[in-house]
Formats: sequence, C-alpha cells, structure tokens
Amino acid sequence: GNSVTQMEGPVTLSEEAFLTINCTYTATGYPSLFWYVQYPGEGLQLLLKATKADDKGSNKGFEATYRKETTSFHLEKGSVQVSDSAVYFCALSDPRSQGNLIFGKGTKLSVKP
Amino acid sequence: DAGITQSPRHKVTETGTPVTLRCHQTENHRYMYWYRQDPGHGLRLIHYSYGVKDTDKGEVSDGYSVSRSKTEDFLLTLESATSSQTSVYFCAISDIQGSQPQHFGDGTRLSIL
Repeated sequence: GNSVTQMEGPVTLSEEAFLTINCTYTATGYPSLFWYVQYPGEGLQLLLKATKADDKGSNKGFEATYRKETTSFHLEKGSVQVSDSAVYFCALSDPRSQGNLIFGKGTKLSVKP
Repeated sequence: DAGITQSPRHKVTETGTPVTLRCHQTENHRYMYWYRQDPGHGLRLIHYSYGVKDTDKGEVSDGYSVSRSKTEDFLLTLESATSSQTSVYFCAISDIQGSQPQHFGDGTRLSIL
C-alpha cells in the first residue's frame, strides 16, 4: 500500500542554518507529492507541491524535488528563520487510491535566535 | 484563506455521549474530508465525501459516521464517544482529487473523559 516516511523530530536549528527534512514514499501509481506546514494552534497549510518526476516545488524559500528513482521528496531551505518554527508534514496523493492524502507523521522544527 | 469553518473549536465531553462536529465551507468544493491528528501518527483519514450524500470510509472509520446533506456542510458524528477518540479533528476540502491540494480548517480539539 501507499505510505510516507519522514525523518523523526524534533529538529532544532539556529537561525540562518540550512534545513533538510527527509521524506520518502511508497506508492503503487504515480502520486502527487506535497509538503504542508502547521503553525501552533492552526490547521495545515500547503507549503509546496510537485505532480510529476523531476518537478521542483518551491515557496517562501523552501524547495523540494520529486525524485522518482529514489522515491524521495526532501524539504530544504538555505537559511531558516525563527518564524519557520512549525511542524512539517510530507504527503502523497495517488490517483489509483481515490486521490486521498496520505501523510507522514510530521517533523517538528524549532529555530532558535 | 479557503472558507472553512469548524465548530465547535473545543469540546470536552464524557465517555458514552454522542458528539457531532461540523465543517462548513463557502468554496463550493466537491470533496470534503475528516481527519484526526494524534501524536506519533500524523493525520489519518476518517471519512470523506465526494458529493452530496456520497461518502466513503477512510483509514480509521470505526466508531465514526458522517453525513453530507448539503454541499457546504459535512458532519462527523461519534455515536458513543470513547477516550480513544480524544484527538484534534481537522476538516479539509478540495475541488479536484489527486494533484490539487486540500485546504484545511483550524481544527476541533475534542477531549473525552
């Protein structure tokens, strides 16, 4: 079946450090891939997406590239800010499975000044 | 922000009582979803709807029922609440399944004592 595995947290970084959050997936078809972010006390917001192999999603300085050969969609940011502190979720949507979202368990990021 | 309103935002109730959570959207989206969020599990799909009176089960549907009598409203009911259903519940909507992202409400924190 379909599944998403992302790195365990929490991740603590200093401001301006480089961020990588690993995400790998298993899917029977050709899924679309997403990163969502959840700030404290709020719902999930779409951060970026990619719908086919080699696509790069980007938003707010965050990037992720859809790598079919390694079944990965790692999230990166070159210089994190305190305001990036949140929980990040990797997710996939497989059209062969009604297109419903399957989420990873989430990675909590804390950025210290 | 997508027009999604969840009510109530917080609820405390006792084991064995019925509970209904409401999700209301103003976007006229076809698809609506209920998820629960628990530590160590990420978000898991409970039920979803693909149109008025059209619903289907998700990954963790036992103990829950849903109804959608109008496009804009999707109700989640716990017929007899149990402590294991203590969680944060999120509603989401989308206009196309698959490659398009879902938009989330702010959540309902439900505590069952």
